[in-house]
Order: sequence, then C-alpha cells, then structure tokens
Amino acid sequence: QKEVEQDPGPLSVPEGAIVSLNCTYSNSAFQYFMWYRQYSRKGPELLMYTYSSGNKEDGRFTAQVDKSSKYISLFIRDSQPSDSATYLCAMSEGQGAQKLVFGQGTRLTINP
Amino acid sequence: GAGVSQTPSNKVTEKGKYVELRCDPISGHTALYWYRQSLGQGPEFLIYFQGTGAADDSGLPNDRFFAVRPEGSVSTLKIQRTERGDSAVYLCASSSLLADEQFFGPGTRLTVL
Repeated sequence: QKEVEQDPGPLSVPEGAIVSLNCTYSNSAFQYFMWYRQYSRKGPELLMYTYSSGNKEDGRFTAQVDKSSKYISLFIRDSQPSDSATYLCAMSEGQGAQKLVFGQGTRLTINP
Repeated sequence: GAGVSQTPSNKVTEKGKYVELRCDPISGHTALYWYRQSLGQGPEFLIYFQGTGAADDSGLPNDRFFAVRPEGSVSTLKIQRTERGDSAVYLCASSSLLADEQFFGPGTRLTVL
C-alpha cells in the first residue's frame, strides 16, 4: 500500500463547477500538506501549503486537512479552463528542507 | 529571475549505456532535490542535498544511481547501465534552507530503448 493515495481520475467538469480533489494517507507522522499543479510537460508548481488540521483559503482555492481521518482535500470554485492540469497532493514529516511524498495525481479537465 | 533549469530536456539512450542529467538550481538555494516521475504517477523522491552533501539518499533505487553536487550549486544525477525501467521524467527542485516551497524544474525526459 502506498503512503499517499490519490484517485487518478481523469475528472472532467464544466466551466464554473466546484471541483473537489482528495488524498488519503497512512503515515501519521505527516505534518505538512501541499497541493501542486502540473501542466503537461512542465514541473509541478505549489498551489497551497497547510500545516496540521484545518482549512486554508486562497482566492478560488481552499485546502482542508483532517488529520484524524488522514484525509486532505482541495476545492476549486468557479473552475476555469485554465485550471485544466494534473493536481498532485504532497506531504512531509517536517518543516523546511524535507523530502516530499506525492500522490499519484488527478488529471482535471475544465470544459468551456 | 531564472528558475530551476535542467539539461538535457530529452535524452534517448540504449539499454546498458551511462547517462548524466544536470540540474541548475535557483541561485542561493542551498537545498536541492531529485525526483523521478513515471508516466501517470506522482514524483517519487530520490535524493536531497544540503549544500554539497547528500542529506537523504533513501530514495535511490539501487547502486546504479548516483548524484553529486560538488560545489553546492549545480547537481548531476548519474545512471549507470541503464535499463528500460529507468525511463521516466527526472525532476529537480530547489529550496532555501528554511523555506517550505520547493521550486521544480521542467524535468529531463529519459527514454531507454
């Protein structure tokens, strides 16, 4: 069993829809949780970063962490065609320079 | 400012050959990471450097893989006796010592025939 599980999709929704992306994990030592966005043939870029349990909002994006359930989510409101990409969850045990453990990635398409 | 750069962008080699992949981190970043991303998968950690030394090489799959960072800036990932299963995108990332964000390069797409 992988440390981080993520539904690979693909997920296709109409423009303007609310998108929910999720990951589960098994390592209770994970304290820091991230969402990266990766466009085709590009490197991942950081979207959201959260520490421990709780919610964090940034514009149209909201990240949620539930450590008791070992479950994290990313919500995208008012989705745009430019949001079409692969979304990767990532986690680490410590702060600062640390190895990241990634999920498989969910491929998302927003249809105009 | 310049981001993380990786060369070559694509590398095609034959089974059994030796390859070197290069990473130029963001200037001033002391931490440098290598990940491998197979098709349809998330990046998988290989090794990370703090300065010139490897702080964690637990992700290197076997002794055919080796990485160096002799002057604490540019890093080279070296793969000996390549196998078809080594085909993947090799990603490099860098970060400052205390920062939480890793900045990724575009990757080197390695194909072993």
